[in-house]
Amino acid sequence: AQSVTQLGSHVSVSEGALVLLRCNYSSSVPPYLFWYVQYPNQGLQLLLKYTTGATLVKGINGFEAEFKKSETSFHLTKPSAHMSDAAEYFCAVSDRVSSASKIIFGSGTRLSIRP
Amino acid sequence: DADVTQTPRNRITKTGKRIMLECSQTKGHDRMYWYRQDPGLGLRLIYYSFDVKDINKGEISDGYSVSRQAQAKFSLSLESAIPNQTALYFCATSEAGATSYNEQFFGPGTRLTVL
Repeated sequence: AQSVTQLGSHVSVSEGALVLLRCNYSSSVPPYLFWYVQYPNQGLQLLLKYTTGATLVKGINGFEAEFKKSETSFHLTKPSAHMSDAAEYFCAVSDRVSSASKIIFGSGTRLSIRP
Repeated sequence: DADVTQTPRNRITKTGKRIMLECSQTKGHDRMYWYRQDPGLGLRLIYYSFDVKDINKGEISDGYSVSRQAQAKFSLSLESAIPNQTALYFCATSEAGATSYNEQFFGPGTRLTVL
């Protein structure tokens, strides 16, 4: 069975500092991998996804994530945090073997930005 | 116009009442999902539907029922609401087929409070 673990339920960084949100997955074969963002009082929107090919994936708002098969990780980074990045971030996995697969979400990481 | 809409956006009700949450989509997707979000638990799948005639239980279906009235509409019902069903509820949609990579698109959410 697939699972996903997000390390740290709350991360706080200063404006302009590096953002690093950690995600590790468990899967018998490399899955599809997603990062979603939830701004206050809104639904989830896709930041980026890894399906195949290049392991460094670039998303919206300057975020990127790297798929590392050997480490079963898909950490999310942004070189310089902005106040508008304050939100909750969810890592998610989906089985690439079955077209009837569902998405499994991590428990989320709340990102706070200090002025 | 939003692609995935949910009504109502907020609802306060009393224990024992029947509640229906509605979801509509204009994306033309066959697949629809209902999730609940609780702090620290991420999103948990309640029910999902891969087409109008296909309804499946998710990981936490007890106390809930659904109806897929049309491709574009998927309703969630709480037959007799209880306080621990207080949560944020999300509807989501996805395309069928391998090239969708199982990516899901979310509505804005319904905040339900059961007193």
